[in-house]
Parts: sequence; C-alpha cells; structure tokens
Amino acid sequence: QSVLTQPPSASGTLGQRVTISCSGSSSNIRSNTVNWYQQLPGTAPKLLIYGSNQRPSGVPDRFSGSKSGTSASLAISGLQSEDEADYYCAAWDDSLNGPVFGGGTKLTVL
Amino acid sequence: QVQLQESGPGLVKPSQTLSLTCTVSGGSISSGGYYWSWIRQHPGKGLEWIGYIYSSGSTYYNPSLKSRVTLSVDTSKNKFSLKLSSVTAADTAVYYCARDGQGGTGTPEYWGQGTLVTVSS
Repeated sequence: QSVLTQPPSASGTLGQRVTISCSGSSSNIRSNTVNWYQQLPGTAPKLLIYGSNQRPSGVPDRFSGSKSGTSASLAISGLQSEDEADYYCAAWDDSLNGPVFGGGTKLTVL
Repeated sequence: QVQLQESGPGLVKPSQTLSLTCTVSGGSISSGGYYWSWIRQHPGKGLEWIGYIYSSGSTYYNPSLKSRVTLSVDTSKNKFSLKLSSVTAADTAVYYCARDGQGGTGTPEYWGQGTLVTVSS
C-alpha cells in the first residue's frame, strides 16, 4: 500500500493531453514539493518534474506539474508513443522523515 | 552532474545478508548537504524507500525495515553502502541508490541504474 495514491492506469490518443493525479496528506504533499518520474521497462526512474512544477533540462515542455493542497498532478500534452511508460509521484513525508511514493500509473498511448 | 552506480551480488541465500555499494562520481559524497538514499522496487511493483544517509553521516531508516537495515559511507572512496540482514524471498527486488537535488528536499532526483537482487537458495 503506497502512501501517495495514483490511478493504476491512464490512456490517451496521439496528440491528446492527459493528466495523472497524485493524492497525499498534510504530512507530505501539503507540506513539501512533489517530484514526478517516468520509468520505461527495465530502466531506472527518470526525473520529469521536481519542486512540484520545475522541469530539469532536457525534459520537453509537454510535461508539466502542479500542486494544490494535498494533491498534485502531472500533465502531458501532445501525447507521443514514446510517452508510454509508468509514472510515479514522490514527496518528502514529515511523519516518516523520508520520501514516500505513489503506486505508479501505467500510461498507454492508444 | 552526479552519477551513481550500484554494485553487489545478484543472488543472496535466504537468511543471509544482502550487501550493496553505490559508487558516486561527479560530486563529493561528504559535501553539499544531500540525502543519499536506497530505494527498492519489487518485480512489477512500486517504489519503496529503504533509508538514507545524510552528508553529515547521520542515517534514517524506513520503520518497516529498520531492524534489518544498516547504511554506511566511505568518504575516502566516495561510496555508500546498504546491508539488509535476514533476507527472505520478499526482499527480491531491484535496488536503486539515489540522491536528492540542490533544493535539499530529500526526495530523489538522481538515480543509479539499479541492480536486481534475487533471494533464493
């Protein structure tokens, strides 16, 4: 059971915009920033968003993040076939004194 | 840019101790006020934080694993290590080492490639 809650799956067609939600609590998302990762099969998670809405260099601006209260969202616009992957959210948890993760969302590009 | 690389045995027998090392390049492990973490991912499952060692050397472990985990650092070799004792098949997973970013959030930004550890006799 993951501390942060994500939908297990999401889908969209080429060119479409999709959003993935991440729900937490006052001890994690409300109090701290959120990271988002993309994980392709057999590879390590890759940082997509840090600080809730900041993109590392090299990450396309099709990817954007937002946070409000105890929830966060990842939006992917102009969906491409290579976006098909697992996506995870993470945030520091003040009660655990460590990072917590969502259970992951498998994105399918139709 | 910091890079991390896990190493260690890919097969461990039940009841034995799993030992992994993370070699850090592109930055000193003892400077900067960073959280150096171990995270694992069971096959087909999500990510689980195991623990971290801070740049000062202090450690903190996930309470669910605390009784079996020891993290240590070798600043002379720019490495940090994980020991997980009394392993069972439930500890079979891909193990990642990771570091947070310059914002000091503690949440991982840089990841190693991961290493699969299988617990089996």
